[in-house]
Amino acid sequence: GQQVMQIPQYQHVQEGEDFTTYCNSSTTLSNIQWYKQRPGGHPVFLIQLVKSGEVKKQKRLTFQFGEAKKNSSLHITATQTTDVGTYFCAGYDNYGQNFVFGPGTRLSVLP
Amino acid sequence: DAEITQSPRHKITETGRQVTLACHQTWNHNNMFWYRQDLGHGLRLIHYSYGVHDTNKGEVSDGYSVSRSNTEDLPLTLESAASSQTSVYFCASRQAGDLDTQYFGPGTRLTVL
Repeated sequence: GQQVMQIPQYQHVQEGEDFTTYCNSSTTLSNIQWYKQRPGGHPVFLIQLVKSGEVKKQKRLTFQFGEAKKNSSLHITATQTTDVGTYFCAGYDNYGQNFVFGPGTRLSVLP
Repeated sequence: DAEITQSPRHKITETGRQVTLACHQTWNHNNMFWYRQDLGHGLRLIHYSYGVHDTNKGEVSDGYSVSRSNTEDLPLTLESAASSQTSVYFCASRQAGDLDTQYFGPGTRLTVL
């Protein structure tokens, strides 16, 4: 079945450093969504990418969808303590049958 | 404001007991989902529904059931709770299409002793 992996599993950064998490699918995705979950909270939708090679920005966050639509990345520039949490990618396979979440990348930001 | 709520927020039960977790949304969304979240596994889909009287099995459906008698509610039942079902459970809803955002409830932390 479809598998979605994320690396790294954990990342500790100093405040002000950049951070990147990578999402890789075993199958081609029709779309990719990114969610953020604060400690003790619930996942909150950040963004969706649909087109091959698409890049979207939200302030310090840059999201990219790979050309082959099998991978994606989330890059945070100059991290802040408010960025702490777990970032999940999720997507549908091309048949639209399975919506699968990656295991997430937990980000810690040291002040 | 529209919202999605879950109850109870915390539950402790014993092995073998039947447990029902409630999920209620006022978005009027057609699609509703139940996930469990465990360390190292992220969010795994248990059951989902695309409308009233529609239910479907997800990746980890064994030991769980759902029913959809109206648009607003999708209760999750553990027929005979097992310690392996200790987890945090999230309910989510979305309007209809695959490209729509999922909105998550606050979660229920279930402990099975």
